[in-house]
Amino acid sequence: EAQVTQNPRYLITVTGKKLTVTCSQNMNHEYMSWYRQDPGLGLRQIYYSMNVEVTDKGDVPEGYKVSRKEKRNFPLILESPSPNQTSLYFCASSPILGSAGTDTQYFGPGTRLTVL
Amino acid sequence: KNQVEQSPQSLIILEGKNCTLQCNYTVSPFSNLRWYKQDTGRGPVSLTIMTFSENTKSNGRYTATLDADTKQSSLHITASQLSDSASYICVVSPFGNAGNMLTFGGGTRLMVKP
Repeated sequence: EAQVTQNPRYLITVTGKKLTVTCSQNMNHEYMSWYRQDPGLGLRQIYYSMNVEVTDKGDVPEGYKVSRKEKRNFPLILESPSPNQTSLYFCASSPILGSAGTDTQYFGPGTRLTVL
Repeated sequence: KNQVEQSPQSLIILEGKNCTLQCNYTVSPFSNLRWYKQDTGRGPVSLTIMTFSENTKSNGRYTATLDADTKQSSLHITASQLSDSASYICVVSPFGNAGNMLTFGGGTRLMVKP
């Protein structure tokens, strides 16, 4: 089954404790992206990757890091989480140039992060 | 700054009724416009994708329309079902967008009541 998986689905942590949210897709997609969703603000792009070892900033990259060492995985790293990073996070993938073309973008189930 | 505005913010309708959701955008020029359905606590799922040259696209009981001149799109849901209760998100991609940046609307939360 074609899917995007994220782990963990729920996470409560404390300020400053480094964490990683994993994202994996089994569709051999080249494009992957991370979003955060906050009430009243909609989805906002954090980082995206066009292919292995190619990443770039989205709208709200501050406080986040990503890596793309393999095509299927795109982890989101919070080196020193802060309470304003409490949010619902989604990973997504699509074939080449997902948004510039008309390829469907597939979203993961989401990770709800709370930073105390 | 590119913006996507959706209305209404929320809507309650009775099962079996039709409804129309609106999306206005300022992204110009744009490459394509998408509508997503997002169930509570789950990731968005694509409903329709329209390029700037298309003015209508259907997916079952969902029909999206696009007026590129007025920069407006609508999503019409026919014969609503309880399972249509969800948030509907309009997403616009700028033309020539090498960065794959998508601009998301805030969504319309639809509740279908029996």
